[in-house]
Amino acid sequence: GQQVMQIPQYQHVQEGEDFTTYCNSSTTLSNIQWYKQRPGGHPVFLIQLVKSGEVKKQKRLTFQFGEAKKNSSLHITATQTTDVGTYFCAGHAGNMLTFGGGTRLMVKP
Amino acid sequence: NAGVTQTPKFQVLKTGQSMTLQCAQDMNHEYMSWYRQDPGMGLRLIHYSVGAGITDQGEVPNGYNVSRSTTEDFPLRLLSAAPSQTSVYFCASSYIGQNTDTQYFGPGTRLTVL
Repeated sequence: GQQVMQIPQYQHVQEGEDFTTYCNSSTTLSNIQWYKQRPGGHPVFLIQLVKSGEVKKQKRLTFQFGEAKKNSSLHITATQTTDVGTYFCAGHAGNMLTFGGGTRLMVKP
Repeated sequence: NAGVTQTPKFQVLKTGQSMTLQCAQDMNHEYMSWYRQDPGMGLRLIHYSVGAGITDQGEVPNGYNVSRSTTEDFPLRLLSAAPSQTSVYFCASSYIGQNTDTQYFGPGTRLTVL
């Protein structure tokens, strides 16, 4: 079945440093979604990428979808303490949405 | 508009007991799904439904049953609880379509099986 892998599993950064998480799928995806989960909360949708090579920005967050539609990345510029949480990618293949294991971001003030 | 609601928020069961986790959405979404979240394991799909009367298995369906008699409700039944089912359970819903399938998650149910 489809597998979605995310690295790293954990990342500690100093406030102001950049952060990147990478997502790789074993199969070609029709689209990829990114979610953020704050500690003790539920996943909240951030963005969806559909087109091969697509790049989208949300303020300090930059999302990329690979040319082969099998990988994606999320980059945060100049992290803030409000960025703390776990970031998940999720890929669609047919009707199933498969989540990566998530990257837990911790930010030291 | 309440979004996705889940009950209960917390539950403690003994091994062998059965129970139903409730999920409801008021957004007229066709797609509903159940995930479990274990530490370090991300979200794993248990069952999903693309509409009333239609359900299908996800990655980890064993020990769980679902039904979808209405568009709004998608209950998850644990038939005979086991300690391995201790987890946080999230229900999610969305429209179906490449550009409209954002998942809306409920607040979760924290289940402990002793």
